[in-house]
Amino acid sequence: DIQMTQSPSSLSASVGDRVTITCRASQSISSYLNWYQQKPGKAPKLLIYAASSLQSGVPSRFSGSGSGTDFTLTISSLQPEDFATYYCQQSYSSDTFGQGTKLEIK
Amino acid sequence: QVQLQESGPGLVKPSGTLSLTCAVSGGSISSSNWWSWVRQPPGKGLEWIGEIYHSGSTNYNPSLKSRVTISVDKSKNQFSLKLSSVTAADTAVYYCARVPTAAGVGNWFDPWGQGTLVTVSS
Repeated sequence: DIQMTQSPSSLSASVGDRVTITCRASQSISSYLNWYQQKPGKAPKLLIYAASSLQSGVPSRFSGSGSGTDFTLTISSLQPEDFATYYCQQSYSSDTFGQGTKLEIK
Repeated sequence: QVQLQESGPGLVKPSGTLSLTCAVSGGSISSSNWWSWVRQPPGKGLEWIGEIYHSGSTNYNPSLKSRVTISVDKSKNQFSLKLSSVTAADTAVYYCARVPTAAGVGNWFDPWGQGTLVTVSS
């Protein structure tokens, strides 16, 4: 199994901050990496697919980068609606998710 | 736009079989997409369960494969999940999702259903 490890597990930040979340795969997964946002009581929402492609309708302050084993999700200027939990997911082999990063208001 | 809606019993007895259905609207289940189930235990992360193509081809999470069956009903535009021999560890919110795929870059889950909580308890 390919293990996905996100860091940090939780993060406190303020509106307007630039935030970066990291996801590391236990083996190379090329660009087979996606990012989701989940708010309490709601289904996950796709933000980024194929490591760096922005899903239609997602604000441009979200961006993704990386390939191989190391990936990042960056929010350029945090908005109040961005406080949520973020998950990475690999689809290289038998889809697996990271454990999540909870982004909280400072 | 495609929408998905899960349905099924919210309570299942231990050792029983969990059965859920995902109804697809706004698009055809026979389109060039896979269709998947993902679950999330309360307060925990996401776990992929398995997926199906309209042809009936399936892929399952190896850790659940012996207990999972996913099927498709093209006439009703829906797909279903059965999970046998359930225990309390199977208590979770169960989501269905469409799985777009692109050559060379993999697949992702979009959109998702709203999810349905299934509790395993006597």
